[in-house]
Amino acid sequence: DTGVSQDPRHKITKRGQNVTFRCDPISEHNRLYWYRQTLGQGPEFLTYFQNEAQLEKSRLLSDRFSAERPKGSFSTLEIQRTEQGDSAMYLCASSSGQWREGTDTQYFGPGTRLTVL
Amino acid sequence: AQSVAQPEDQVNVAEGNPLTVKCTYSVSGNPYLFWYVQYPNRGLQFLLKYITGDNLVKGSYGFEAEFNKSQTSFHLKKPSALVSDSALYFCAVRDKGGSYIPTFGRGTSLIVHP
Repeated sequence: DTGVSQDPRHKITKRGQNVTFRCDPISEHNRLYWYRQTLGQGPEFLTYFQNEAQLEKSRLLSDRFSAERPKGSFSTLEIQRTEQGDSAMYLCASSSGQWREGTDTQYFGPGTRLTVL
Repeated sequence: AQSVAQPEDQVNVAEGNPLTVKCTYSVSGNPYLFWYVQYPNRGLQFLLKYITGDNLVKGSYGFEAEFNKSQTSFHLKKPSALVSDSALYFCAVRDKGGSYIPTFGRGTSLIVHP
C-alpha cells in the first residue's frame, strides 16, 4: 500500500490554457473522488467514480471540467480554458468497503496546487 | 441534507496541555463522523471515525473523539498536546442513509505553543 499519489504536485498556468491532473488511487480501492480546496475552506466535492463509471458530479463541476477513469484504476481531471477562479488545491481520494455500513473511509492524496495567472 | 460546523477557526494550546477541537453536525438520519488532519501543502490524513457503538473513538497519534448524539457533537481531543500536532483539522459527516459523499467543515487551525 503506497497510498494515493497525485501528479503534478504544483502547476502554474496562464489563463485560458488547459491543464490535466492525474491521480493514482490505492490499488485495491474501487472508488475514487475528486475534491477542490480553497484557502480557509474544507474540501468541496467535485466528482466520484466507482470503478470506471462516473456516478456523481457536483454542480461545482462546470462544463470546462472533465474527469475520466478509463480502466478503473488511475483518473485524470482536465480543466479547459482555465480561469483565475480555478486556482485551488485539487485533491484526490480513494476508498473501498461498504459505504452503507460506514466501512468506506476515504484516503487522500497530497493534492495538486493549481495557480492560474 | 447534511452539514458540519467547526465553530473555532483557531485553537491555541500550550504543549503538554489537553486539547479539544470542536465539531457539531446535522443529518437527517444517523451520522458517520470523521476527523482528518492536514499539514501545510499536504493532503488530508485520516485520524479516526465513528460508525456505531462506543461513543469514545480512539485514533492515530493519541487522538480520540467523543460522539454525543444529544448535542450532535463529535469533538476531537488529546490528553497532552505536542508542538507537532500543530496543523489544520477537519471534521466530516455523512448521513448513514443518505449520500455516500461526506461533507467537510471549514477546518480548525490548531497551534500548540512550546
